[in-house]
Amino acid sequence: AQTVTQSQPEMSVQEAETVTLSCTYDTSENNYYLFWYKQPPSRQMILVIRQEAYKQQNATENRFSVNFQKAAKSFSLKISDSQLGDTAMYFCAFMKQGGSEKLVFGKGTKLTVNP
Amino acid sequence: NAGVTQTPKFRVLKTGQSMTLLCAQDMNHEYMYWYRQDPGMGLRLIHYSVGEGTTAKGEVPDGYNVSRLKKQNFLLGLESAAPSQTSVYFCASSASGYNEQFFGPGTRLTVL
Repeated sequence: AQTVTQSQPEMSVQEAETVTLSCTYDTSENNYYLFWYKQPPSRQMILVIRQEAYKQQNATENRFSVNFQKAAKSFSLKISDSQLGDTAMYFCAFMKQGGSEKLVFGKGTKLTVNP
Repeated sequence: NAGVTQTPKFRVLKTGQSMTLLCAQDMNHEYMYWYRQDPGMGLRLIHYSVGEGTTAKGEVPDGYNVSRLKKQNFLLGLESAAPSQTSVYFCASSASGYNEQFFGPGTRLTVL
């Protein structure tokens, strides 16, 4: 079974600074997808970024980028120029390619952006 | 285009009562999912469906039943609620297993 570990229960950052959230996962699969979801206080789950394991290039979405290290099974999220609206829970998630169509989530990291 | 909606948003039950949570999506998605979110646990998959008339068990299916009679609806049932089922329940849908899952706003359920 796959597991996802987020080792930082809480983090804080000053507005406009950069912060990196850590995620590691355990799998014997070679083909899979990785995701970062954001959950603000409104409770709505919002997809931040997605990475296909077969792609060597790290995914980027505006101020959000990932550092995907397949051999190390590491998938960290970097938020640049942090904004107050980035305050939220962030969940790392894994999906095996083919068959399961299921997301396995980490326990989350609570990020607070301070003014 | 409402996306994924969930009914109700809040509910309080007594132990042993039954209820059904309704999830509806208007994006013509094939796949639908039910998750529960507990403090410090992240989201865990309860049941899912890969198409109308199909259902499958997820990670924590015990105590729940589901039905997918129509493509746009996915129902989650609790036959005899227990305090351990106090949680926030999320429904999600996706076009296929590899696509982004779109989440509903959640239902906060308390079982006394």
